[in-house]
Amino acid sequence: DVKVTQSSRYLVKRTGEKVFLECVQDMDHENMFWYRQDPGLGLRLIYFSYDVKMKEKGDIPEGYSVSREKKERFSLILESASTNQTSMYLCASSLRDHQNTQYFGPGTRLTVL
Amino acid sequence: LAKTTQPISMDSYEGQEVNITCSHNNIATNDYITWYQQFPSQGPRFIIQGYKTKVTNEVASLFIPADRKSSTLSLPRVSLSDTAVYYCLVGEYNFNKFYFGSGTKLNVKP
Repeated sequence: DVKVTQSSRYLVKRTGEKVFLECVQDMDHENMFWYRQDPGLGLRLIYFSYDVKMKEKGDIPEGYSVSREKKERFSLILESASTNQTSMYLCASSLRDHQNTQYFGPGTRLTVL
Repeated sequence: LAKTTQPISMDSYEGQEVNITCSHNNIATNDYITWYQQFPSQGPRFIIQGYKTKVTNEVASLFIPADRKSSTLSLPRVSLSDTAVYYCLVGEYNFNKFYFGSGTKLNVKP
């Protein structure tokens, strides 16, 4: 079974803090993704990575950065958290040529006060 | 990117067959149609994928007409545990950007 784990289920941070969200997958997948999910807006792609140290912007990259130093780990970084970044963050992974079939983690609900 | 349109919500009763239709008028030749299911407080889960005609697995069936401008996810004999949000996605098999819309919230009643 593919397993995608995220470092926290719930996180509360203050405005201006630097926030790290970690994602680890154990199936040797080449592709990894970060989404955020908000009511009425569905899932929106923030960044994705198709290889170590490679990244591409998704639809809403502003205010976020990512890091992929190892194949199994993909980190999302909020350099200076703001209240409008309060959301559910979902990580996913897939095989290189099977991006239509993504495996998702349980999500991290981030609240920025 | 082909955008999709689905009903916002649907109600059903246990034991009924449920059909959720998705419109994707701008689907491209290389695009596949994929459906995901999401339960509350969980990440989405892949259900089924197809290119044309009909695909069936142990969970659902996917019907795609010849013009491919729409698709229908069919869930046979739903139970309360099928209450979830269902997303229809369209994209190339290895396309690097996936568009998740708002999905269809299916509510199964006893």
